[in-house]
This record gives sequence, C-alpha cells and structure tokens, in this order.
Amino acid sequence: ETGVTQSPTHLIKTRGQQVTLRCSSQSGHNTVSWYQQALGQGPQFIFQYYREEENGRGNFPPRFSGLQFPNYSSELNVNALELDDSALYLCASSPSPNTEAFFGQGTRLTVV
Amino acid sequence: DAKTTQPPSMDCAEGRAANLPCNHSTISGNEYVYWYRQIHSQGPQYIIHGLKNNETNEMASLIITEDRKSSTLILPHATLRDTAVYYCIVRVGVADMRFGAGTRLTVKP
Repeated sequence: ETGVTQSPTHLIKTRGQQVTLRCSSQSGHNTVSWYQQALGQGPQFIFQYYREEENGRGNFPPRFSGLQFPNYSSELNVNALELDDSALYLCASSPSPNTEAFFGQGTRLTVV
Repeated sequence: DAKTTQPPSMDCAEGRAANLPCNHSTISGNEYVYWYRQIHSQGPQYIIHGLKNNETNEMASLIITEDRKSSTLILPHATLRDTAVYYCIVRVGVADMRFGAGTRLTVKP
C-alpha cells in the first residue's frame, strides 16, 4: 500500500467524450505526476504538478490537462477522447519533485 | 526515449539471488538511477535508487559501477512474488521518469 488512491478503477467512454480521473496523494506529498501506460508498454510521462503549478510536461497534446488542489489531490482531464487513449492511467505522488514517486493502482480507461 | 538498456527477460530459481543488469552509458553526473517494478496490472512499485555509491534496503541492493555507466539490481533471495517487470530509470529532468520496456523477471519454483 502506497497511500495513493485513484478513482475510478475502471471506466468506459465513447470516442469524442471527455473524462476526468482523480488521484488522492499520500499524506505530506506536494508533488503529483500522471502517466499513461498502453498495453504491453512502459508508463509514459504526461505531466507533473508541484504546489498546484504544472512543473513539467511530456509529449502529450493540450487535450490532456490537469489540476492540483490545495490539499494536493489531483485530476487528469482528457477531452475529445480517441481510441488510442485507451490505457492504464497512473498517478504518482512524491514528497518533492526530485524524489522517489509512489504510484497508485491506476485507472483503466477504455474508449469505444 | 529511455536512456537505459535492459534485457527483455530473465529467469531465476526461487531462493536464489536475482541479478538484473542495466546499461546507462550516457548518464550525467547529477542523474540518479532508479529501479521500479510492476506486478501484472498494478501500479509500479519503488524499489531503490542511487547516485554513485552502492545502496541497500529491505527489498534489494543496487550496485553502480565506478564509471556509472551500468548498474545491477540484486534481489538476494527471490520468491515467486518477485515475478514482475523491472524498470531501470535514469532521472532525465526535473519531473519526468522515462520508463523503457523493462526486464520481465520470472521466478521459478
């Protein structure tokens, strides 16, 4: 158990719809990162938030956006869903941006 | 792209040490080497990290060569529950960790 919880665990959406995924960080952690993991591949970095500000972004289009709240919980929003967005979405929290990250169990998103 | 090279798969007998190699020949002086593992369909689990000295914790040992171009993760007494994909990661920037394909370790009875 890492203390990082994600919701929902599974989700099915239709192409073109919008989705919001949620993450509750481990207590005392002010940094959260989001990753996308397609089947059979390693996780790919989407972005990181530190103290409610974006602190780095991977090679993902602007329709992937995020928020971090004062209690350090976080959301990942994806607009205009595409079939290729089907993946496991992972949230990881850290005590600071450059320390080890602790992952949640992920949200499995299926776009049909 | 990830800056590390790992064998795609390895087997290990239960109770024996599992030694997982990683090459990171372009590592910079201030970059750390991190190891994570991922058991099927679960989130990655942090194992250990180091800069240039060898490190040990309750899960594993990390041996980094003197030139820092390669490292080895050692699980001293592998169990069936250690079967997983193991990722070696060099911290690239402030934020992102770049996961490659990892090594699929299978521990056999």
